[in-house]
Amino acid sequence: NAGVTQTPKFQVLKTGQSMTLQCAQDMNHNSMYWYRQDPGMGLRLIYYSASEGTTDKGEVPNGYNVSRLNKREFSLRLESAAPSQTSVYFCASSEVWGAPEQFFGPGTRLTVL
Amino acid sequence: DQQVKQNSPSLSVQEGRISILNCDYTNSMFDYFLWYKKYPAEGPTFLISISSIKDKNEDGRFTVFLNKSAKHLSLHIVPSQPGDSAVYFCAARGGLRGSTLGRLYFGRGTQLTVWP
Repeated sequence: NAGVTQTPKFQVLKTGQSMTLQCAQDMNHNSMYWYRQDPGMGLRLIYYSASEGTTDKGEVPNGYNVSRLNKREFSLRLESAAPSQTSVYFCASSEVWGAPEQFFGPGTRLTVL
Repeated sequence: DQQVKQNSPSLSVQEGRISILNCDYTNSMFDYFLWYKKYPAEGPTFLISISSIKDKNEDGRFTVFLNKSAKHLSLHIVPSQPGDSAVYFCAARGGLRGSTLGRLYFGRGTQLTVWP
């Protein structure tokens, strides 16, 4: 089992460009999450999907959209990237919503110039 | 405003000795507490957890202590090994009611370095 996979690993964008971060899990988990981690900060929740067909805002949703494509896949889209979105993005999944143990992907390091 | 705080950004310990990582929280509605470990260029991995109804949980070399009255938890690693060198994040789960419903809140992390 690969667990949680994310693509791409690295990305550099110019201000105003758009991109989609992809995430997939093969653990048959119901819930998936997107976090960002900034230097010297903890992980902050951007969006989550408690179950297939549902999505909801987390702590820092502005500037992002998400799609729960199916049970395995959860994508994060930046429509018009800004330098403030320079960060490391982590996707995670858990068996059910609220399960304390979440499984994280390796992260995508995004730089917006 | 941070609800989970790790006030020590770094900790350096000699191999074989005890490492103690500390975490404070402000929200009394948190019902579960976790520690995650993160190596460079990897995602965090779950290490150990404790329910708010307990005051201690042990798993091998790792023990987590919870002091609810002080809103404080700590992670003890005994004995420390060089492979334990990583960033440790404290996290708390919002209780299953209200706006914090089921979410995890993370501290800023503590870089642990274990030297030979």
